[in-house]
Amino acid sequence: EAGVAQSPRYKIIEKRQSVAFWCNPISGHATLYWYQQILGQGPKLLIQFQNNGVVDDSQLPKDRFSAERLKGVDSTLKIQPAKLEDSAVYLCASSLADRRRNAEQYFGPGTRLTVT
Amino acid sequence: GDSVTQMEGPVTLSEEAFLTINCTYTATGYPSLFWYVQYPGEGLQLLLKATKADDKGSNKGFEATYRKETTSFHLEKGSVQVSDSAVYFCALGMDSSYKLIFGSGTRLLVRP
Repeated sequence: EAGVAQSPRYKIIEKRQSVAFWCNPISGHATLYWYQQILGQGPKLLIQFQNNGVVDDSQLPKDRFSAERLKGVDSTLKIQPAKLEDSAVYLCASSLADRRRNAEQYFGPGTRLTVT
Repeated sequence: GDSVTQMEGPVTLSEEAFLTINCTYTATGYPSLFWYVQYPGEGLQLLLKATKADDKGSNKGFEATYRKETTSFHLEKGSVQVSDSAVYFCALGMDSSYKLIFGSGTRLLVRP
């Protein structure tokens, strides 16, 4: 079974530029998550999708971050414009989570973003 | 709000030593508890979980018991190996959602 795929693996941009990350979840997984992991900290949930609908985006900085999950499969996370404090690893995860509580989340390898 | 606190690292041990990584939580309800591991250059992987009080999760020689009275979920292993070197994250998940709240992680270094 293929895991969660993310691209690119690394990205370096200057502040005020824009960037986009892509995620392809495990086939059949209805729920998709984007997390931000700042160096030395645990992952923090940015947004959670159930199929193509948003379940939780309470911690997403909506003035600069946006995310979409068209057709309930792949997802993109965009930052525009980027700030220095956005330097982090952006993790995508997916889970079945249809009627089961706290179903296991499967994580991708992450995209390491450096904003200079 | 809900939160997870785990011991700061790095934790440095010799091979075959006993490991304990402390984790405590604060939650308004009755969460499920998880330990995730992140090996160098890899993504997060679920190591073990427990869904209710007094449950013991175990995997690959690691164990953790869900202690409601002390709001703790400490990770233990009787004999660590060099290959256990990684960052370990404690996390909680509430039944009302599928969101995970992570601790800050503890880096484990095992020397031969």
